[in-house]
Amino acid sequence: ETGVTQTPRHLVMGMTNKKSLKCEQHLGHNAMYWYKQSAKKPLELMFVYNFKEQTENNSVPSRFSPECPNSSHLFLHLHTLQPEDSALYLCASSQESVWDEQYFGPGTRLTVT
Amino acid sequence: RKEVEQDPGPFNVPEGATVAFNCTYSNSASQSFFWYRQDCRKEPKLLMSVYSSGNEDGRFTAQLNRASQYISLLIRDSKLSDSATYLCVVNPFGNTPLVFGKGTRLSVIA
Repeated sequence: ETGVTQTPRHLVMGMTNKKSLKCEQHLGHNAMYWYKQSAKKPLELMFVYNFKEQTENNSVPSRFSPECPNSSHLFLHLHTLQPEDSALYLCASSQESVWDEQYFGPGTRLTVT
Repeated sequence: RKEVEQDPGPFNVPEGATVAFNCTYSNSASQSFFWYRQDCRKEPKLLMSVYSSGNEDGRFTAQLNRASQYISLLIRDSKLSDSATYLCVVNPFGNTPLVFGKGTRLSVIA
């Protein structure tokens, strides 16, 4: 499926590095999301963008910085991460509103060394 | 009560069995309900929406009980490929994002 794509699929970075995760949706949706999923833990909502405007920031540390240049693209900029930030980072999109069903990308598996 | 609660399982069932999961939600004003499936180390995928009248898709049946504030998922004739974690998802109220439950792990055994 190519509805929601994420790059890179795997990323290993040191604590002093700066990297960015990219998400692109080809579904014509207007809302996009970043989630974090640590090993054997439930999904944690990080950020929500609706019509390019950030509508939710779930008390995420400032070392995670989202960017949404348009309704199809979403970035997560990472800097000075901690080992506990190692997780699967999932992007999702939904059509019109934040209560519509969400479609997920395959995720970026991040390891912070 | 937590916004969305599920029995974490695991549910270990033989092939061909019927298995049911329940999920409770706390806000009576919730409007959207879904079941997602997540395979190990993969992204969640929408399994089905849950409507007030209930809905069925092949071997899967979802029902909503607003009075008791729970939704259910019934899987008939379980297949090995049904082994996964099933996530209950609810929109708590108004213009708020969906809340994902912690999931119920199902293992179908040959």
